[in-house]
Amino acid sequence: GEDVEQSLFLSVREGDSSVINCTYTDSSSTYLYWYKQEPGAGLQLLTYIFSNMDMKQDQRLTVLLNKKDKHLSLRIADTQTGDSAIYFCAESMEDGGSQGNLIFGKGTKLSVKP
Amino acid sequence: DVKVTQSSRYLVKRTGEKVFLECVQDMDHENMFWYRQDPGLGLRLIYFSYDVKMKEKGDIPEGYSVSREKKERFSLILESASTNQTSMYLCASSLGTYNEQFFGPGTRLTVL
Repeated sequence: GEDVEQSLFLSVREGDSSVINCTYTDSSSTYLYWYKQEPGAGLQLLTYIFSNMDMKQDQRLTVLLNKKDKHLSLRIADTQTGDSAIYFCAESMEDGGSQGNLIFGKGTKLSVKP
Repeated sequence: DVKVTQSSRYLVKRTGEKVFLECVQDMDHENMFWYRQDPGLGLRLIYFSYDVKMKEKGDIPEGYSVSREKKERFSLILESASTNQTSMYLCASSLGTYNEQFFGPGTRLTVL
């Protein structure tokens, strides 16, 4: 079945770059998403990438997609303490009976040390 | 901006009580979702709905039911709350297929 995997923890120093990795299984996924969850809050969409793209950049965020390896990464440049959060990777399901459904990874907790 | 609101941020209930969690979205979205989030398990889909009065089971529907009488409102019902339903509950909505999901702030439910 479908599965999205990501490492559970990442720790970086303020000012460094963070790279959060994700692998997925559904090669027919149309969109892949990155969500951010701050403590005690819901999930906020950070960015998404269409499956026919291999890179998307948005200010400090860079998303890389390797469709052949089903690997997605999120790079945060100049990481700040405010970036400390849980980051979820998600893929859209192609099953016609589940339109709009996303499959989420378990989330990567990013800790930024001053 | 899309707004998804949930009726409570924190809720404490007793075992056996009937619990209603309400979710409202203001952007005329077709799809609505209920997830629970537990440490180490990520988000797990409980139920979703892609139209008024339509509902589909997600990955963990046992012990839950839902109601969607109006397009903007999606309710999650715990018929008889149990301690293993202590969790963070997240509601989301989306416009249609492949569209991003917008999340509410979550309800942290504790069942004693």
